[in-house]
Amino acid sequence: QSALTQPASVSGSPGQSITISCTGTSRDVGAYNYVSWYQQHPGKAPKLMIYEVSNRPSGVSNRFSGSKSGNTASLTISGLQAEDEADYYCSSYTGSSTPVVFGGGTKLTVL
Amino acid sequence: QVQLQESGPGLVKPSETLSLTCSVSGGSISNYYWNWIRQPPGKGLEWIGYIYYSGSTNYNPSLKSRVTISVDTSKNQFSLKLSSVTAADTAVYYCARQGYLFKPLGDWGQGTLVTVSS
Repeated sequence: QSALTQPASVSGSPGQSITISCTGTSRDVGAYNYVSWYQQHPGKAPKLMIYEVSNRPSGVSNRFSGSKSGNTASLTISGLQAEDEADYYCSSYTGSSTPVVFGGGTKLTVL
Repeated sequence: QVQLQESGPGLVKPSETLSLTCSVSGGSISNYYWNWIRQPPGKGLEWIGYIYYSGSTNYNPSLKSRVTISVDTSKNQFSLKLSSVTAADTAVYYCARQGYLFKPLGDWGQGTLVTVSS
């Protein structure tokens, strides 16, 4: 069982917006603004899409945005495109002996 | 742009030790945390552990008794050893760079599949 809880799957049509949730606890997501989101296409390494809750690395589309409320972080993808179809993982810093924890991953299907 | 490349045997026998190396190019290994993460086929990501360039380490408690991560700054490489492997250790193993413990895993290797089988 993963430390952070994500829905197994979400779907949306091209042009629509979707949101993926990531629920942790007051010891990880709720305690720190150090939530990251990674995109992983089949057979590829994860790619950082969002860091520190809502920051985008250089080169990442502004269609990707992040937010957090309490123990739950969210990734929103607007204007869905076929290329967005991938697995998405959230991660949080915990400040504990296991500093990095991941969610179980969410498969995004673009209909 | 820093690049990371995992290397090592793709097949390991049960009860033996899995050994992988991550070679870092395009940047120094100094002043960063270097992580190993694995992903069993069809499953999610699992953090294995990290080493700081100075040599300090931290491991996932679930693997701690079997994991050793080391660094060779002269070769700009760091390595993973996982002992007493079983089929449950079959996974794609990734190395990744982290600027500080609370920073994201910003740069990843392409990953290497290690299968545990006799």
